[in-house]
Amino acid sequence: GQNIDQPTEMTATEGAIVQINCTYQTSGFNGLFWYQQHAGEAPTFLSYNVLDGLEEKGRFSSFLSRSKGYSYLLLKELQMKDSASYLCAVRESNYQLIWGAGTKLIIKP
Amino acid sequence: IAGITQAPTSQILAAGRRMTLRCTQDMRHNAMYWYRQDLGLGLRLIHYSNTAGTTGKGEVPDGYSVSRANTDDFPLTLASAVPSQTSVYFCASSDRTSGANVLTFGAGSRLTVL
Repeated sequence: GQNIDQPTEMTATEGAIVQINCTYQTSGFNGLFWYQQHAGEAPTFLSYNVLDGLEEKGRFSSFLSRSKGYSYLLLKELQMKDSASYLCAVRESNYQLIWGAGTKLIIKP
Repeated sequence: IAGITQAPTSQILAAGRRMTLRCTQDMRHNAMYWYRQDLGLGLRLIHYSNTAGTTGKGEVPDGYSVSRANTDDFPLTLASAVPSQTSVYFCASSDRTSGANVLTFGAGSRLTVL
């Protein structure tokens, strides 16, 4: 069946690096997305991977391995404003998006 | 500022009442979506519309209806609200002609059904 797993909550220190993992089992694959959602706000787009490898965008990078059904979001030089939930979503062959429950990231000074 | 506007921001509703959540976008996106977000669960698709004049059912459509009379507006109606429909509702839009088809979300409507 369809399933996306990501940790419920993670804690990291300001200035450090954190890696948020996402594993998936879906009906086909047509891209993987990461969104950021601050508490009480809308999700906002961070990254999109459709081919294997690392996509870097400033302090954020996203990695994809289609053969392993695995992705991670890497956040460097953490800032307090990075405290948010990070949502992993996979687009299936029928173009429907399947969403993970999100990882709440807590940044401590 | 281009984006999606949702209304109301928050609403408390008695069970059995009819409610319409409004959604308007000004980005001329062809596709629009309604999701609900509940604690501990991923976003779940209620209904979607790939283009004006067409709609489709998502993962959890029961108890909800939508219409897409034009490109900009995509209202969601609860015909007779029930407590299990208490949730945060997000409207989103995307340009399906783009490769990534990235979703842009509205700020959400928090609905409580008593």
